[in-house]
Amino acid sequence: QLQLVESGGGVVQAGRSLRLSCAASGFTFSRFGMHWVRQAPGKGLEWVAIIRPDPNNKYYADSVRGRFTVSRDNSRNTLYLQMNNLRVDDTGVYYCARDGSGWCPDSWGQGTLVTVSS
Amino acid sequence: QSALTQPPSVSASPGQSVAISCTGTNSDVGNYNRVSWYQQPPGTAPKLIIYEVTNRPSGVPDRFSGSKSGNTASLTISGLQAEDEAYYYCSSYTSSGTWVFGGGTKLTV
Repeated sequence: QLQLVESGGGVVQAGRSLRLSCAASGFTFSRFGMHWVRQAPGKGLEWVAIIRPDPNNKYYADSVRGRFTVSRDNSRNTLYLQMNNLRVDDTGVYYCARDGSGWCPDSWGQGTLVTVSS
Repeated sequence: QSALTQPPSVSASPGQSVAISCTGTNSDVGNYNRVSWYQQPPGTAPKLIIYEVTNRPSGVPDRFSGSKSGNTASLTISGLQAEDEAYYYCSSYTSSGTWVFGGGTKLTV
């Protein structure tokens, strides 16, 4: 059974860093691209980044490019999001999701909450 | 990377049908058949209900259907049930190699 479990969220001051993890199971992790999507409190979904099966193939939203880095460890079936120079408006629930054959995130984790305080 | 445009809210009675629109540009919705739709009840993770404009994942009722014309995609839910009450988001692949979501639509049944 496919499962994605995010961790690493918490409260952090603006300007600091945080690293999120997403542990994958139930599918061949190395064969799939993986997304990060976030949701500010009471707001809609915002796409953040994707890393393809080739770990050098990555894309970012304009709002995080240069501050966030997505990576993967296929030996550990784990996806990461390194978030540097965090801002108050980075606050939200961060979801990891598998990139399915339909050119979209198809299976999602339950999310981890990141709160950036001023 | 402007968000796709969705109506903030729609409402309909049980048994009726409702359509939710999603308007993008020639760089996303209009250029690719890579539009997807998600259902998100409050406090839960999004669930994929439509991919590649018209396709339903296994387990999604055929009451849910998708279509597209030009830069606008649509999600239609027929035979509305109380359990369909949720937020609905569209998403599209873009010419920049990124994805973009709509602002979300609250469906009240």
